[in-house]
Amino acid sequence: QKEVEQDPGPLSVPEGAIVSLNCTYSNSAFQYFMWYRQYSRKGPELLMYTYSSGNKEDGRFTAQVDKSSKYISLFIRDSQPSDSATYLCAVASGGYNKLIFGAGTRLAVHP
Amino acid sequence: EAGVTQSPTHLIKTRGQQATLRCSPISGHTSVYWYQQALGLGLQFLLWYDEGEERNRGNFPPRFSGRQFPNYSSELNVNALELEDSALYLCASSSGTSGGAGTDTQYFGPGTRLTVL
Repeated sequence: QKEVEQDPGPLSVPEGAIVSLNCTYSNSAFQYFMWYRQYSRKGPELLMYTYSSGNKEDGRFTAQVDKSSKYISLFIRDSQPSDSATYLCAVASGGYNKLIFGAGTRLAVHP
Repeated sequence: EAGVTQSPTHLIKTRGQQATLRCSPISGHTSVYWYQQALGLGLQFLLWYDEGEERNRGNFPPRFSGRQFPNYSSELNVNALELEDSALYLCASSSGTSGGAGTDTQYFGPGTRLTVL
């Protein structure tokens, strides 16, 4: 079993839709949860960073962590064609600085 | 402020050769991380260097090695290249201010695409 599971998609949505991206993880020791966005031929860029459970909002992006079910989500409101990218979830436990990534979900937002 | 830079952008080698990849962290960052992004396997942690020392290592064979220089730049060496080493190699840096007690935000470079023929 992989430590982090993420549906690779692809996910295709019309402009303006609400997008929901999800990951599950297996180890309850993980305390740090991140979402990265990666455009084609570029390195990943950090979108959202959450410690422990709860919600975090930044503009059109909302990250949710449910530690009881080991489930993390990223919601994108009013999606734009510029949001078309691969979205990677990542988790980490304290003290090691080693990120464990999901496989990434490829998102396409069409006009 | 300049981001993480990596060189070369592309590298083509043949099986059995050695590859050297280079990374310059963001100014002021002391930690450097290496990841491999192979097709179908996702991003996998390779190595973490901080203050010149190797702090953690992923599940990769010893022919993957590296070092960090006094100016905090880093080098990844891959010996005895195999076809399955073909991948995008990403370097990230962080400030290292948590001293290992937490997780510092990692900022990624654009990567070096290594092709092994």
